[in-house]
Amino acid sequence: AQTVTQSQPEMSVQEAETVTLSCTYDTSENNYYLFWYKQPPSRQMILVIRQEAYKQQNATENRFSVNFQKAAKSFSLKISDSQLGDTAMYFCAFSKRELTFGKGITLSVRP
Amino acid sequence: KAGVTQTPRYLIKTRGQQVTLSCSPISGHRSVSWYQQTPGQGLQFLFEYFSETQRNKGNFPGRFSGRQFSNSRSEMNVSTLELGDSALYLCASSLGQGAMNTEAFFGQGTRLTVV
Repeated sequence: AQTVTQSQPEMSVQEAETVTLSCTYDTSENNYYLFWYKQPPSRQMILVIRQEAYKQQNATENRFSVNFQKAAKSFSLKISDSQLGDTAMYFCAFSKRELTFGKGITLSVRP
Repeated sequence: KAGVTQTPRYLIKTRGQQVTLSCSPISGHRSVSWYQQTPGQGLQFLFEYFSETQRNKGNFPGRFSGRQFSNSRSEMNVSTLELGDSALYLCASSLGQGAMNTEAFFGQGTRLTVV
């Protein structure tokens, strides 16, 4: 079975600064996907970024990028130029078939 | 293009009752997955339906069941409700089977409270 660990329960960052959210996972699979999802107060899960395990290049989506270290089973999310709208819970997730989520981290962006 | 629609948004039920939740996926999506979100256990996978067949199931008791119709709409049923079933139930739809290689789009969830 896969496990996903997000050890930081919450973080706070000043608007316009950069923040990194950590995630580690455990699996015996070689081919899989990793995701970061954002859940704002509306509770709707929104896909932030996706990484395919067989791709060595780190995924980027505008202000969001990941640092994927397959051997270390680490998958961190970097948010650059933080905006107030980034305030939300962020979930790291692993997928071979279904999504396995971490416990999430509450990110607060201060004005 | 309409998103994933879950109904109802909120439900209050009494212990021992049963409940049915509905999920309408994005048009053209054939896969529907259900997740339970609680403060204690976080997000946990319930089951996935693809082309009206259950393809994958999480570690939940048999009181939790589901089905998918020919138009890809899905329902989830919980019988003999327990207090611990209080949760946000999220539905996700995707084009293909499994979350691995297709993006999963989530609905806003159904908040179930069991009293």
